[in-house]
Amino acid sequence: AQKITQTQPGMFVQEKEAVTLDCTYDTSDPSYGLFWYKQPSSGEMIFLIYQGSYDQQNATEGRYSLNFQKARKSANLVISASQLGDSAMYFCAMREGRGDYGQNFVFGPGTRLSVLP
Amino acid sequence: NAGVTQTPKFRILKIGQSMTLQCTQDMNHNYMYWYRQDPGMGLKLIYYSVGAGITDKGEVPNGYNVSRSTTEDFPLRLELAAPSQTSVYFCASREAVNTEAFFGQGTRLTVV
Repeated sequence: AQKITQTQPGMFVQEKEAVTLDCTYDTSDPSYGLFWYKQPSSGEMIFLIYQGSYDQQNATEGRYSLNFQKARKSANLVISASQLGDSAMYFCAMREGRGDYGQNFVFGPGTRLSVLP
Repeated sequence: NAGVTQTPKFRILKIGQSMTLQCTQDMNHNYMYWYRQDPGMGLKLIYYSVGAGITDKGEVPNGYNVSRSTTEDFPLRLELAAPSQTSVYFCASREAVNTEAFFGQGTRLTVV
């Protein structure tokens, strides 16, 4: 079964507008972490933001924020004031397991974001 | 500061050949991972390791083997290459359970 679902294969957004990329996850472990990565056309993986399952507040990093709804098991990425350089694939990932046991770290299928001038 | 280094960057293999993809990190991270990324798709976890001498299977381990004799190195072995193993392979490492993973630049493998 898919542990990470990203239902938007592709998204378009106008430059300077905000965009939300969806991510839902499936785990029965109370301890987990959620990550977002950006992969530009050059292929490297760039870490954007992290949210722990016990964190009380939604994570923010500059123009990136994570809308964490634990009961719904969703961790949507919000990019404010989109820039042309934000055009890339975006992956949601989850780490589950306590300590050294079962340190699974899996990725969703990704969303391709295109920022329009 | 090298981070995670993968070699080679590109490789063409013939069906049935074997090869080892090398991955080294200089950050003293305990957790290391191997992923494959097929064109236009997400990353699939092949194997991971939580420390020297400890490895475990991920989502798609068939056709691959790993070893972790040192903290720094986590090589991925393909024994009998098949066209279905044509992909980009990424190695990653993490310091702790709640920290981000650092990725290598990837190895583009083609099996013909």
